[in-house]
Amino acid sequence: GENVGLHLPTLSVQEGDNSIINCAYSNSASDYFIWYKQESGKGPQFIIDIRSNMDKRQGQRVTVLLNKTVKHLSLQIAATQPGDSAVYFCAESSRRSIRQLTFGSGTQLTVLP
Amino acid sequence: SQTIHQWPATLVQPVGSPLSLECTVEGTSNPNLYWYRQAAGRGLQLLFYSVGIGQISSEVPQNLSASRPQDRQFILSSKKLLLSDSGFYLCAWSQTGLANTEAFFGQGTRLTVV
Repeated sequence: GENVGLHLPTLSVQEGDNSIINCAYSNSASDYFIWYKQESGKGPQFIIDIRSNMDKRQGQRVTVLLNKTVKHLSLQIAATQPGDSAVYFCAESSRRSIRQLTFGSGTQLTVLP
Repeated sequence: SQTIHQWPATLVQPVGSPLSLECTVEGTSNPNLYWYRQAAGRGLQLLFYSVGIGQISSEVPQNLSASRPQDRQFILSSKKLLLSDSGFYLCAWSQTGLANTEAFFGQGTRLTVV
């Protein structure tokens, strides 16, 4: 499948600050995007998703922004907490491959006290 | 509610030995099932997916195979492990018939081939 990659492999933020994690994708047919959080030694957990007919979606302390023009996805975490420290993956799928998600390499978020 | 179970959590196997990882899903029927592998510091690579009993699709050529003997059971196997098979293996499921839906992951199996 086509590559879904992340701009930065690591990100360190101070507790209480906002975090922004970026993701670029190359498959122009991608129409569904998910952010996952993976804590050490565990499976990924769903955070938030967005479909291509939207450009913004908000959850609890998280916001996902989608810019289809430049094929860019971002995850914003408000008031970052120590428990937010984890690896964050973006994943995409398209109607051409409805049964599989393509994952990026991940960004390690570290929250500093 | 739906749950997914994957075992064992960790496994150390010698090169050339067989492998069998099992995954079961509860609380849903006819799920799509997936096996992913994650190398250290890397993203998730789809190995196999299944849309029904006995139906297996392989995404990459490899030393591994998958089987789905029951609706909610997915097994990852190898006859002879290679050092390069070491990694973190994740089972996942998603709802059938929906074009865009999230996948729910198990807790993973850390396989070390020595």
